Amino acid sequence: SQQGEEDPQALSIQEGENATMNCSYKTSINNLQWYRQNSGRGLVHLILIRSNEREKHSGRLRVTLDTSKKSSSLLITASRAADTASYFCATDGAAGNKLTFGGGTRVLVKP
Amino acid sequence: DAGITQSPRYKITETGRQVTLMCHQTWSHSYMFWYRQDLGHGLRLIYYSAAADITDKGEVPDGYVVSRSKTENFPLTLESATRSQTSVYFCASRYSGSKETQYFGPGTRLLVL
Repeated sequence: SQQGEEDPQALSIQEGENATMNCSYKTSINNLQWYRQNSGRGLVHLILIRSNEREKHSGRLRVTLDTSKKSSSLLITASRAADTASYFCATDGAAGNKLTFGGGTRVLVKP
Repeated sequence: DAGITQSPRYKITETGRQVTLMCHQTWSHSYMFWYRQDLGHGLRLIYYSAAADITDKGEVPDGYVVSRSKTENFPLTLESATRSQTSVYFCASRYSGSKETQYFGPGTRLLVL
């Protein structure tokens, strides 16, 4: 079973708009990570937020984490056509040896 | 800097045949992982390895065998391929001292007829 579940499953926006996607998980975590996957490619790490952090920024990315609600959000500001990809959250649980991935959000940024 | 590579990139095989997917990394990462990616399931962990000669099962290990005789290689074998093993397979690796970023290979697309 998946630890993380992303919402929405798919998102279509115009270039320049913001894209927001959410991730919910079930058990306690050490950290939560977001990855991007372009079509036909492997996953690329975007950002990591630790369980004691509430918000983190990296360029046009903003990640929040609410451990009380067991949820996280990823915001991409001023989206570009190159941001078209699938985005996955992954949680690193107490054992810390491995990640559990959600089903992903497919984002389409229209020029 | 080759990073992490997988071979073959595409493979077509028949039910019942043995298939081995290769994964090679040049960073000397201790940890290596095999995932499969199917529509509607995201990525699911098949097996992982913490070091040479140390392997452990993930979420969906049935029908797969792994070995890790050398740190840089982590082959995945389907002993008797089934149609349900048609999928995209990703290998990943990470440093031992960090429980953080995993680095992914480009994937192998496997079709079992």
